[in-house]
Amino acid sequence: EAQVTQNPRYLITVTGKKLTVTCSQNMNHEYMSWYRQDPGLGLRQIYYSMNVEVTDKGDVPEGYKVSRKEKRNFPLILESPSPNQTSLYFCASSLVPSTDTQYFGPGTRLTVL
Amino acid sequence: SQQGEEDPQALSIQEGENATMNCSYKTSINNLQWYRQNSGRGLVHLILIRSNEREKHSGRLRVTLDTSKKSSSLLITASRAADTASYFCATDDGNKLVFGAGTILRVKS
Repeated sequence: EAQVTQNPRYLITVTGKKLTVTCSQNMNHEYMSWYRQDPGLGLRQIYYSMNVEVTDKGDVPEGYKVSRKEKRNFPLILESPSPNQTSLYFCASSLVPSTDTQYFGPGTRLTVL
Repeated sequence: SQQGEEDPQALSIQEGENATMNCSYKTSINNLQWYRQNSGRGLVHLILIRSNEREKHSGRLRVTLDTSKKSSSLLITASRAADTASYFCATDDGNKLVFGAGTILRVKS
């Protein structure tokens, strides 16, 4: 089954404790991205990747890091989480960036205390 | 960066009625997409309309695009309780999609 998986689905952590949210897709997509969703603000892109070892900032990259060492995986790293990073996070992938259907993961609900 | 803005923010209708949601955007686009999100879940792609298309159908969905007005509409006909969800438009902006804040649709049975 074609899918994007994210782990963990729910996470409660404390300020400053490094965490990683994993994202994996099995569709051989070149393009992957991370979004955060906050009430009233819709989805905002954090980082995206056009292919292995090619990543770029989206609209709200501050406080986040990503890596793309393999085509299927695109982890999101919060080196020192803060309460304003409490949000619902989605990973997405597609064959090409913006002219193709984006396939979304199920989401990771992160709470930073 | 540009952003699609949906209107209305929320819509409540009876089962069987039609639901219309609108999206406006600011700059020229190559395509516009509509997505649906059930509460707290990932977005699901509904339909993509290219800038040279004016109307597109998919089942009970009808999407129109007016590039001169920089607007699009999503019509869901004969709505069902299962259509209750948030609906987002997304426009292309270089190498990314930019999403609006969404319309919350509630279909009452």
